[in-house]
Amino acid sequence: DAKTTQPNSMESNEEEPVHLPCNHSTISGTDYIHWYRQLPSQGPEYVIHGLTSNVNNRMASLAIAEDRKSSTLILHRATLRDAAVYYCILKVNTGGFKTIFGAGTRLFVKA
Amino acid sequence: DAGVTQSPTHLIKTRGQQVTLRCSPKSGHDTVSWYQQALGQGPQFIFQYYEEEERQRGNFPDRFSGHQFPNYSSELNVNALLLGDSALYLCASSAGTGKNNYGYTFGSGTRLTVV
Repeated sequence: DAKTTQPNSMESNEEEPVHLPCNHSTISGTDYIHWYRQLPSQGPEYVIHGLTSNVNNRMASLAIAEDRKSSTLILHRATLRDAAVYYCILKVNTGGFKTIFGAGTRLFVKA
Repeated sequence: DAGVTQSPTHLIKTRGQQVTLRCSPKSGHDTVSWYQQALGQGPQFIFQYYEEEERQRGNFPDRFSGHQFPNYSSELNVNALLLGDSALYLCASSAGTGKNNYGYTFGSGTRLTVV
């Protein structure tokens, strides 16, 4: 299965930008990069996804390296409610998309 | 618009017993995936159902089986429960596996404890 590598944890101050990195050096041309987050006692929540170009939505921005071997999730102004585990995932098309989670990055936000 | 609904929310079973977990997908979604999440770990993919057939499967033994109904709802069955099966079981729905790349909508999960 295609694999991603993320730091175990990161810390940010409230109202500052946060850059969450992800390495996916074995990515293939048809794999999409997805990000999810999981708040305590909840199921994961979809954040954003992309293939080659940078993407923006109301929750975050996704910056994808030109060689697609890494990506960065950007939260423009962290709030206390953004404290969660963030998962970077490759959505692999094997005759149907399969979404494989890694261990994720636990984000701590300080007031 | 209801999201993904899972039942029950909590369950305690004895080793060796069998359990059935249920999932109703988000309205408009026809694909259901099941995940197992042990404490402190990321979700592990069990299998995915589309058009009432198992389409993808993760590295789980045959004790784990599932079903999808014509209304797209799904069940996860686990036989001969082991203590190691204690986990949060998550259901995720999406629209049309292989046809698009939309994100999944997850339920809040069923917490299974095997004693």
